Amino acid sequence: DVKVTQSSRYLVKRTGEKVFLECVQDMDHENMFWYRQDPGLGLRLIYFSYDVKMKEKGDIPEGYSVSREKKERFSLILESASTNQTSMYLCASATYTGEQYFGPGTRLTVT
Amino acid sequence: LAKTTQPISMDSYEGQEVNITCSHNNIATNDYITWYQQFPSQGPRFIIQGYKTKVTNEVASLFIPADRKSSTLSLPRVSLSDTAVYYCLVGDVMDSSYKLIFGSGTRLLVRP
Repeated sequence: DVKVTQSSRYLVKRTGEKVFLECVQDMDHENMFWYRQDPGLGLRLIYFSYDVKMKEKGDIPEGYSVSREKKERFSLILESASTNQTSMYLCASATYTGEQYFGPGTRLTVT
Repeated sequence: LAKTTQPISMDSYEGQEVNITCSHNNIATNDYITWYQQFPSQGPRFIIQGYKTKVTNEVASLFIPADRKSSTLSLPRVSLSDTAVYYCLVGDVMDSSYKLIFGSGTRLLVRP
């Protein structure tokens, strides 16, 4: 079975802190994605990566950056956390046919 | 990227067949149609994917007419555990910069 893991299920940070969210997949997928999900807004794509060191902006990249140094790991970085970044963050990796496998999610609260 | 339109919500009863239709009038030649299911506090889960005609797996069937401007996810004999949000997505899965755009989905409620 494909396994996508995220570093934390719950995280509480203070405004202005730098936050790292880690995602690891074990299926050698080239494509990886970061989404955030908020009530009433569905899933929104933040960034995605289709190869090591390659990244593309999604629909809401502002306030975020990403890092893909190794194929299995895709990190989301909040340079200076703000309260409007309180959300559920979901990481996914995808097969070459576009099947996405999601991690369990990280519920981030910024106070 | 082709935009999709689905009903916001649907109600059903245990044991019934549920059909959720998705419109994608601007679907491109290379686009595939993919459906995901999401339970509260979990990430979406892949259900089924197709390009044309009919696809069936152990969970669902996907019907795609010849013009491909819509698709229908069919869930046979639903149970309470099928209560979830279902997303229809369209995109060129073979594009190296392929990305999925999730819409609002259809919230299915299965009643006893």
